[in-house]
Amino acid sequence: EAGVVQSPRYKIIEKKQPVAFWCNPISGHNTLYWYRQNLGQGPELLIRYENEEAVDDSQLPKDRFSAERLKGVDSTLKIQPAELGDSAVYLCASSLDSEAGELFFGEGSRLTVL
Amino acid sequence: EDKVVQSPLSLVVHEGDTVTLNCSYEVTNFRSLLWYKQEKKAPTFLFMLTSSGIEKKSGRLSSILDKKELFSILNITATQTGDSAIYLCAVAPTSGTYKYIFGTGTRLKVLA
Repeated sequence: EAGVVQSPRYKIIEKKQPVAFWCNPISGHNTLYWYRQNLGQGPELLIRYENEEAVDDSQLPKDRFSAERLKGVDSTLKIQPAELGDSAVYLCASSLDSEAGELFFGEGSRLTVL
Repeated sequence: EDKVVQSPLSLVVHEGDTVTLNCSYEVTNFRSLLWYKQEKKAPTFLFMLTSSGIEKKSGRLSSILDKKELFSILNITATQTGDSAIYLCAVAPTSGTYKYIFGTGTRLKVLA
């Protein structure tokens, strides 16, 4: 069974440039999460989707971050414009549903903003 | 404010040693606690704990939850260099969402 797939694995951009990350969850998983992990820190939730609906985006900096999950499968996370402080690993995770305990993580997208 | 605190922040041991990692939490209406191992890739699931006093075990790893004292421990016996990783603890409160709150992790290094 394929796991959670994310791309790109690495991205280096200059500040004020846009960037987008893509996530394909495990087939059949209705719940999708985007987390941000800063160096030396644990993952912090940015947004959670139940199917195509964003049910928790309270931690998403909406002035520059946006996300979508069309058709309730793949998801994209966009930052425009990027700032130096956005440098982090962006992790996507999925679970069967929000009642399920285990989150399955992708390998993450490491963003460096210069 | 809900929070999860892990200790120690980092740990260096030699192969064969036994280590105990700690995770304490303060959340509203606790639902479950999860342990993950993170190497240079995706965090991989180790255990999920929901009931107090019941030990979960997998090979050399084991974990137990104390819901009265609000903490969990992860034990690794006969450590190997392959155990070197960051160990993350996450707690899911039932405050209307399933927002898993992660601790900062414990960085374990096992020396040969």
